[in-house]
Amino acid sequence: QKEVEQNSGPLSVPEGAIASLNCTYSDRVSQSFFWYRQYSGKSPELIMSIYSNGDKEDGRFTAQLNKASQYVSLLIRDSQPSDSATYLCAVNGYTGFQKLVFGTGTRLLVSP
Amino acid sequence: GAGVSQSPSNKVTEKGKDVELRCDPISGHTALYWYRQSLGQGLEFLIYFQGNSAPDKSGLPSDRFSAERTGGSVSTLTIQRTQQEDSAVYLCASSRDGTDTQYFGPGTRLTVL
Repeated sequence: QKEVEQNSGPLSVPEGAIASLNCTYSDRVSQSFFWYRQYSGKSPELIMSIYSNGDKEDGRFTAQLNKASQYVSLLIRDSQPSDSATYLCAVNGYTGFQKLVFGTGTRLLVSP
Repeated sequence: GAGVSQSPSNKVTEKGKDVELRCDPISGHTALYWYRQSLGQGLEFLIYFQGNSAPDKSGLPSDRFSAERTGGSVSTLTIQRTQQEDSAVYLCASSRDGTDTQYFGPGTRLTVL
């Protein structure tokens, strides 16, 4: 069983819509959660981190965490074609250092 | 400032040969990570360095894989007797300390023929 699960997509949304990306994880002791964006042929870049239950907003991005359901999501408001990329969910269940377990990513396509 | 750099960007080798992949972390970052990304797979943790020591090398897939870090800076990942299943993008990341944001390098695409 994979430790971090994501729908591979592609998730297609029109420009200006809200894109909703979801991730579930299996390790209940996971402590911190991250969303990385990866453009094709490029390296991942961190866009959001969340550590406690609830919502965390940063510009057009909102991360949502529900530890009881072992579920973390990323909402992208007013989606732009430049948001088209693969979004990787990463989970850290360790203390002391960030030993990240990544999902396989969801490919997002935003059409003009 | 300069980000994480990796070399070579691409490496094609024949099965059975040894390869060395290099990572230059961001200056001052004490933590360094190696990951592997295979086609259709998520990033797979390989090894973590804090300074020159490797407290966690649990992700190295076999004893053909080894890594070292010298001077608390540059790291080299060595794969001996490469196999076709070693073909992947090898990514290096560094962070200020082991708990901070990880910044990724551009990766080395390894192809084993």
